[in-house]
Amino acid sequence: EAGVAQSPRYKIIEKRQSVAFWCNPISGHATLYWYQQILGQGPKLLIQFQNNGVVDDSQLPKDRFSAERLKGVDSTLKIQPAKLEDSAVYLCASSSRDRRGGYTFGSGTRLTVV
Amino acid sequence: AQSVTQPDIHITVSEGASLELRCNYSYGATPYLFWYVQSPGQGLQLLLKYFSGDTLVQGIKGFEAEFKRSQSSFNLRKPSVHWSDAAEYFCAVVYNTDKLIFGTGTRLQVFP
Repeated sequence: EAGVAQSPRYKIIEKRQSVAFWCNPISGHATLYWYQQILGQGPKLLIQFQNNGVVDDSQLPKDRFSAERLKGVDSTLKIQPAKLEDSAVYLCASSSRDRRGGYTFGSGTRLTVV
Repeated sequence: AQSVTQPDIHITVSEGASLELRCNYSYGATPYLFWYVQSPGQGLQLLLKYFSGDTLVQGIKGFEAEFKRSQSSFNLRKPSVHWSDAAEYFCAVVYNTDKLIFGTGTRLQVFP
């Protein structure tokens, strides 16, 4: 089966600019997650979707981050405006409803804010 | 609070030596448990997972992990390490909220 697709692979922007990341999960996976991984740290969950609804966004900095999954398939994560501390790898993951297959991660988008 | 702890930030072993990476979780009930590996510049690859049943779990690349309820631990082991095993290893847990929570990771360095 195809894996979790993410794009772009790399992005460099100046602070205060906006940026968007795209994720296409494994076909049939109802749950989609966005994680932020700062260099040297473990991934931190930003937001969790179940189909097209938000299950948990308690760790999402809502003043600058937004995410959507309008049709319950692919998802977009946006940052506006970006700050230097947003430099990180943004990982998308998906899982089936029973989680038995585990959580499959995409290759991530490496964001550098200068 | 739900959390997972990896006490060792950095481990160095010689090629061919055995390896054990520690992972402890904090919660009353038994969570789902995972180990992931991340090579530099790469995404996260699932090594193995535990949901229930046999407490010794076999994974890919010759790794295994043992769930010990009494110690709230899920340590990862490999009997003989290869240079290609050098990477960052993350333990992760899922509680009833369906959120996958990661530890801070252990960086493994392998010397020839």
